[in-house]
Amino acid sequence: AQSVTQLDSHVSVSEGTPVLLRCNYSSSYSPSLFWYVQHPNKGLQLLLKYTSAATLVKGINGFEAEFKKSETSFHLTKPSAHMSDAAEYFCVVSEYNQGGKLIFGQGTELSVKP
Amino acid sequence: DTGVSQDPRHKITKRGQNVTFRCDPISEHNRLYWYRQTLGQGPEFLTYFQNEAQLEKSRLLSDRFSAERPKGSFSTLEIQRTEQGDSAMYLCASSQAANYGYTFGSGTRLTVV
Repeated sequence: AQSVTQLDSHVSVSEGTPVLLRCNYSSSYSPSLFWYVQHPNKGLQLLLKYTSAATLVKGINGFEAEFKKSETSFHLTKPSAHMSDAAEYFCVVSEYNQGGKLIFGQGTELSVKP
Repeated sequence: DTGVSQDPRHKITKRGQNVTFRCDPISEHNRLYWYRQTLGQGPEFLTYFQNEAQLEKSRLLSDRFSAERPKGSFSTLEIQRTEQGDSAMYLCASSQAANYGYTFGSGTRLTVV
């Protein structure tokens, strides 16, 4: 069965410092992995996705994530946080043979201090 | 086509009443998914359609819940005899194919009082 564990429920960084949001997954087959962001009272927006191509995936707004099969991890990083990055972030796994349904992690709330 | 539309945005209903939500996916997307998100949690899968066929239903989808996608375009999610525990954000997403990419709607927030 698929599952996702986001290792931090809340991360706080200062503006201009690096961001690291950690995610571990469990999957029986080759998974597709995603990061979504949800700003308050807004819909879910796709940041980036991994679908068995390059293991280092670049997304929007300067975010990137690295797929590490040996560690079953898919951590999200950004070199320099911006105030507008404050939001809830979800790590998501999907398997093609499961109809493509998405399994979400519990979410990590990112706070950015001025 | 500007994306996935959900209607209404907010719904307040009394316990025991029936409610129906609508989702209009991106027109060329043949897959449509429903999720439920409660406060402080990630979205949970409810059900999905490929064209008009409902291919999977989660155990979360009790007998009081029913979803349809009659012509393979828009979908409706009905909750009968609502309970306070049904209060949540109901999200709809569509995609061209499994794992291809999903577009989410803004959701319908249901409050059962």
